[in-house]
Amino acid sequence: GENVEQHPSTLSVQEGDSAVIKCTYSDSASNYFPWYKQELGKRPQLIIDIRSNVGEKKDQRIAVTLNKTAKHFSLHITETQPEDSAVYFCAASRGGTSYGKLTFGQGTILTVHP
Amino acid sequence: KAGVTQTPRYLIKTRGQQVTLSCSPISGHRSVSWYQQTPGQGLQFLFEYFSETQRNKGNFPGRFSGRQFSNSRSEMNVSTLELGDSALYLCASSRGGKDYEQYFGPGTRLTVT
Repeated sequence: GENVEQHPSTLSVQEGDSAVIKCTYSDSASNYFPWYKQELGKRPQLIIDIRSNVGEKKDQRIAVTLNKTAKHFSLHITETQPEDSAVYFCAASRGGTSYGKLTFGQGTILTVHP
Repeated sequence: KAGVTQTPRYLIKTRGQQVTLSCSPISGHRSVSWYQQTPGQGLQFLFEYFSETQRNKGNFPGRFSGRQFSNSRSEMNVSTLELGDSALYLCASSRGGKDYEQYFGPGTRLTVT
């Protein structure tokens, strides 16, 4: 089955710096890649997603890049703020009738210091 | 539009008992997926229901089952509870078709003693 590896497991940055989280996946048939943010005690929140027919997608300070050949995708957060502190999860699925079966990475604890 | 809701929010059960958790999706969403979240294993997919049919299944034992009703509400059941079943159980709903975005509920925190 699909396996998603996520790095780093913890990331500490200063406010205003950029943060990058990387994920690799094993199933070459995967074509849907969402990212979730989970604050302590709260539900995972979808922050951005990308499909395999797109190489990059941006939404304000957040961007995701996808390299299908290398089977990896990354989350980029620019101008980080303390409220960006949370656990971030990447995920992958095959799409089509299998899109509802997400395989998640182990998560990255991001801490943004004021 | 109301978000995904789950009941109950907290549950304490004893080993050997069974439990039923409920998930109400966002209005208009036809797909409901269930996940188990633990500190050690992270987020793991249990199963997905779409239009009352189980469409995808994860690698959990048969003690874990689910169903979906005609109004898209879903329930999951765990029989013969084990200590290792203690976890946060999350459901996520999505519209279906070409809309893949899944939106999570707040979860049910299950503690097995």
